[in-house]
Amino acid sequence: QLQLQESGPGLVRPSEPLSLTCTVSGGSISSGGYYWGWIRQPPGKGLEWIGSIYYNGKTYYSPSPKSRVTISVDTSKNQFSLEVSSVTAADTAVYYCARSSTLLGHFDYWGQGTLVTVSS
Amino acid sequence: QSALTQPPSASGSPGQSVTISCTGTSSDVGGYNYVSWYQQNPGKAPKVIIYEVTKRPSGVPNRFSGSKSGNTASLTVSGLQVEDEADYYCASYAGSNNVVFGGGTKLTVL
Repeated sequence: QLQLQESGPGLVRPSEPLSLTCTVSGGSISSGGYYWGWIRQPPGKGLEWIGSIYYNGKTYYSPSPKSRVTISVDTSKNQFSLEVSSVTAADTAVYYCARSSTLLGHFDYWGQGTLVTVSS
Repeated sequence: QSALTQPPSASGSPGQSVTISCTGTSSDVGGYNYVSWYQQNPGKAPKVIIYEVTKRPSGVPNRFSGSKSGNTASLTVSGLQVEDEADYYCASYAGSNNVVFGGGTKLTVL
C-alpha cells in the first residue's frame, strides 16, 4: 500500500523560506509513470494546487505562487520536497503531498497533511 | 478566490439525492474531460471519488456519480447516507500544465 508522509517545521517566520519533504513508502518514485505533487489548504478554505514533479525532475508549477516555489526530487531517498521562499501569513496552510497518474489527472494517494503556520 | 465556482453548501435528507455543481470556463472544465471530485472529512486528507468526469475509483459506492455539460460539472450523490456528510471539492485540468480546484461545498445530511 502506497503511503506518503509530509515532514518539516510547523512554524516559519515571515520572509523566511518554508521547506517540506514528502517521504514515499510502498512504492518507488524512480519507477516512473506518476507525478508527485503539493497541494495546500489555508485554514477553513479550499484546496490549491502548488505544483508537481516527475521522477526525472521535470517540474510543473501553478501560476501562483510560481515565482516563490521550488519542487525537487531525491529518488535515492524516495522523497520529494517543496520550498516556498519569502513566506507571509497568506502561506499559512495545511500542506499535502499527493500522487497523480498523469499531470492532467486526479490525485489518488495523499499524505495526511502538515500544518505550517507563518508567524513571528 | 477559487478558479472553479461551487455552492458553499448543499443539504439533503437520508435517502434523497443531491447534486453539487462546479462551474468553470472553456479553458478548464469545458475544455477537458479531466474533472475530478474529492470528499474531505474534518481533519482528514481529501479522497478522490470521481475522476475523468464520470469514473469511480475502486471502492467508491456507485451512489456517487459525475457528469458534465458545457463549462459546468456536477457531482450527484444518490440515496444520501449520514456518512456522506463532508466537504466536496471539484478540480479540473486548466491547460498549460495547470490544475485548478473549486472552493468546496459543505454537504449536510439533515
